[in-house]
Amino acid sequence: SYELTQPPSVSVSPGQTARITCSGDALPKIYTYWYQQKSGQAPVLVIYEDSKRPSGIPERFSGSSSGTKATLTIIGAQAEDEADYYCFSTDSRGNQRVFGGGTKLTVL
Amino acid sequence: QVHLVESGGGVVQPGRSLRLSCAASGFTLSGFPMHWVRQAPGKGLEWVAMISHDGTNEEYADSVKGRFTISRDNSKNTLYVQMNSLRPEDTAVYYCARDFRGGDALDIWGQGTMVTVSS
Repeated sequence: SYELTQPPSVSVSPGQTARITCSGDALPKIYTYWYQQKSGQAPVLVIYEDSKRPSGIPERFSGSSSGTKATLTIIGAQAEDEADYYCFSTDSRGNQRVFGGGTKLTVL
Repeated sequence: QVHLVESGGGVVQPGRSLRLSCAASGFTLSGFPMHWVRQAPGKGLEWVAMISHDGTNEEYADSVKGRFTISRDNSKNTLYVQMNSLRPEDTAVYYCARDFRGGDALDIWGQGTMVTVSS
């Protein structure tokens, strides 16, 4: 079955840049989506189609994709950005959707 | 205000069935593909199923294929998932979510409903 691989945790100081990666064999051909989930809350879409930001998401959130790796970047991370972040994509056949295992971002 | 509200969760014995509902408000359900996503206690997100805006196409995770059926009643602005032959590993919070782009961009999520499969 298809898998997306994320680091379990990333830690940065406030104001620093946080980068969360997601690796998958189909990513050169398939879009990646990124979701933020704070404790006890439903997920929130922060990046879609590799690099587009939904309305209401701060400009410090950006996404990129190159080869088999997609990256979520938070420039000037803030305490309120502490959350679990999940990438989401599809296998090369286009019908088995999967989430990455999630990355816990700590800002302290 | 755009909202999704799930209902129908609860405690059920292994092998039994349960149907979850997801009521949409503030938008017309028929315009959007819809998904179910679940999260086991203390674990990550797991995609469960997707249904096209008109109900003509359904896709499922391998873990639920043949046991779960996603459906929708656009006249009632409501999404469903029928869960049969439930297993303890199906224990999770189940979220419904709207796909606003038709390509897995899930922009609106419900608050989730808990399903516990236990004897």
